[in-house]
Amino acid sequence: AQSVSQHNHHVILSEAASLELGCNYSYGGTVNLFWYVQYPGQHLQLLLKYFSGDPLVKGIKGFEAEFIKSKFSFNLRKPSVQWSDTAEYFCAVRSGNTGKLIFGQGTTLQVKP
Amino acid sequence: DGGITQSPKYLFRKEGQNVTLSCEQNLNHDAMYWYRQDPGQGLRLIYYSQIVNDFQKGDIAEGYSVSREKKESFPLTVTSAQKNPTAFYLCASSKSSGLAGIYEQYFGPGTRLTVT
Repeated sequence: AQSVSQHNHHVILSEAASLELGCNYSYGGTVNLFWYVQYPGQHLQLLLKYFSGDPLVKGIKGFEAEFIKSKFSFNLRKPSVQWSDTAEYFCAVRSGNTGKLIFGQGTTLQVKP
Repeated sequence: DGGITQSPKYLFRKEGQNVTLSCEQNLNHDAMYWYRQDPGQGLRLIYYSQIVNDFQKGDIAEGYSVSREKKESFPLTVTSAQKNPTAFYLCASSKSSGLAGIYEQYFGPGTRLTVT
């Protein structure tokens, strides 16, 4: 069965620290990859997505992610986090010809001011 | 404003009662989805619908039912057969879900259901 694994369940950083959240998936075919963010009390919203082309994708608020096909990974990065980045982050994979997304378990990021 | 609305935000029910969660979208999206979010488990797909009058089971459909009589509406019923119904329920929609289109999903604000 297809699955998505986020290795870090809870990350605590100080402001200005660099961030990398891991995401690995288990599917060998063509995939579309997403990172969603859920700020406290807000809707789940899209941070960035990869469909094809340049494996380094840039999203909103300074986030980027790199698709490494050989490693089945799509890690999220940000060079310098802010207190406002405190949120829960979800990696998701879409495979096949349906819109079904498979989500990882989520990573809670807490940024200390 | 275009978007997805879910009502109510909080819902309380007694065990043994069925309850229906509302999801409406005015984005003219073809596909709609229901997810359940539990701490440490991410989002799990309950049901999805690619077109009006059609829907498919997701990964955890047992104890749930849906209907898709209108394009803009996709209500979810949590039946008394659902063994652990207390959760946060999220509705989503996208333009299309087939090969013809690869579109992101937009999410509603969610309904937190508590069953006691």
